[in-house]
Amino acid sequence: GENVEQHPSTLSVQEGDSAVIKCTYSDSASNYFPWYKQELGKRPQLIIDIRSNVGEKKDQRIAVTLNKTAKHFSLHITETQPEDSAVYFCAAGASNNNDMRFGAGTRLTVKP
Amino acid sequence: DGGITQSPKYLFRKEGQNVTLSCEQNLNHDAMYWYRQDPGQGLRLIYYSQIVNDFQKGDIAEGYSVSREKKESFPLTVTSAQKNPTAFYLCASSIGTGGPYEQYFGPGTRLTVT
Repeated sequence: GENVEQHPSTLSVQEGDSAVIKCTYSDSASNYFPWYKQELGKRPQLIIDIRSNVGEKKDQRIAVTLNKTAKHFSLHITETQPEDSAVYFCAAGASNNNDMRFGAGTRLTVKP
Repeated sequence: DGGITQSPKYLFRKEGQNVTLSCEQNLNHDAMYWYRQDPGQGLRLIYYSQIVNDFQKGDIAEGYSVSREKKESFPLTVTSAQKNPTAFYLCASSIGTGGPYEQYFGPGTRLTVT
């Protein structure tokens, strides 16, 4: 089955700096790669996703890149703000089923 | 935050007792999921269901059971066979057919077993 590894487990940046979180996956059939943000005490919510037919997707300060050959994808947050502080999860899923596997999460802290 | 609900928010049980966690959605989603969240371990899949009256085991199904008698509901029973049941449990749903798609999460139930 799919195995997703996520690094780093914790990340601390200064406000205004960029943050990058990386994930690798094992199943070459995976073709859907979402990123979720979970603020303290709240439910995870999708912030951006990418499918394997594209290599990069951007939404304002957030971007995701995908390297299918190397089986890794990354979340990039530019101009970080204190409200970006949260736990971020990557996930991978394949179109032959409806389940996904999540990474262990990255706790991002943005210091003002 | 409507759409998918879980109850109760906090649940306390004595060791040896079965307990059922509720998950309901009004999004007309076909697929529903149960995850367990422990510190530092992300979201681990317990069970999922792609259609009514059908469900599959995830990675950590031992000690858990589910049913899917209605499209809207996917209750999870934590049995006495689950060795370490204290955790935060999240339910999710997605459109399902032709997936995978974005999963929408409920607010979670924090279960404490003593």
